[in-house]
Amino acid sequence: AQSVTQPDIHITVSEGASLELRCNYSYGATPYLFWYVQSPGQGLQLLLKYFSGDTLVQGIKGFEAEFKRSQSSFNLRKPSVHWSDAAEYFCAVGRYSSASKIIFGSGTRLSIRP
Amino acid sequence: GAGVSQSPRYKVAKRGQDVALRCDPISGHVSLFWYQQALGQGPEFLTYFQNEAQLDKSGLPSDRFFAERPEGSVSTLKIQRTQQEDSAVYLCASRQSGTNYGYTFGSGTRLTVV
Repeated sequence: AQSVTQPDIHITVSEGASLELRCNYSYGATPYLFWYVQSPGQGLQLLLKYFSGDTLVQGIKGFEAEFKRSQSSFNLRKPSVHWSDAAEYFCAVGRYSSASKIIFGSGTRLSIRP
Repeated sequence: GAGVSQSPRYKVAKRGQDVALRCDPISGHVSLFWYQQALGQGPEFLTYFQNEAQLDKSGLPSDRFFAERPEGSVSTLKIQRTQQEDSAVYLCASRQSGTNYGYTFGSGTRLTVV
């Protein structure tokens, strides 16, 4: 069965510091991987996605993620965070070959220290 | 419209009342998904449509939950005899056909059962 683990429930980083949010997945087929961000009271906004090709993918707002098949990981990174990055971040996995459901992790809440 | 539109934005229902939540997907998007997001949790899959066909309803928690998309565009999620545990944000997402597109989410409907 497919699953997503985000081991960090809550992370606090200083403004201007680098960020890495962890995501591990379990999936039997070629995965289709996503990172979404959710601000309070808002819907989910797609940051980036990976389905094939270069394992380092660039997204919006200066985020990037690296797919590592050997580690079943898809960690999200940003070199320098801004106060506006404070939000909930969700990793998700789906099946590449069809437009079927995607499964979400439980999320990581990011707080920014001034 | 430019995005996925959900209505109402907020709904308060008395326990035992029936509710109907509406989703207007992006025009031309074949696939439509419903998710339930409890407070502090990641979204949980409920059901999936391709055009008017409901291809996966494995996530519907009970037979009180029913979804339809009769003309392959607008979808309605109906919850009968609401219970307190139904309180959550209900998110709708749509997606174009093809394999390399992301899922676009609406802002959700926050249902509170009192």
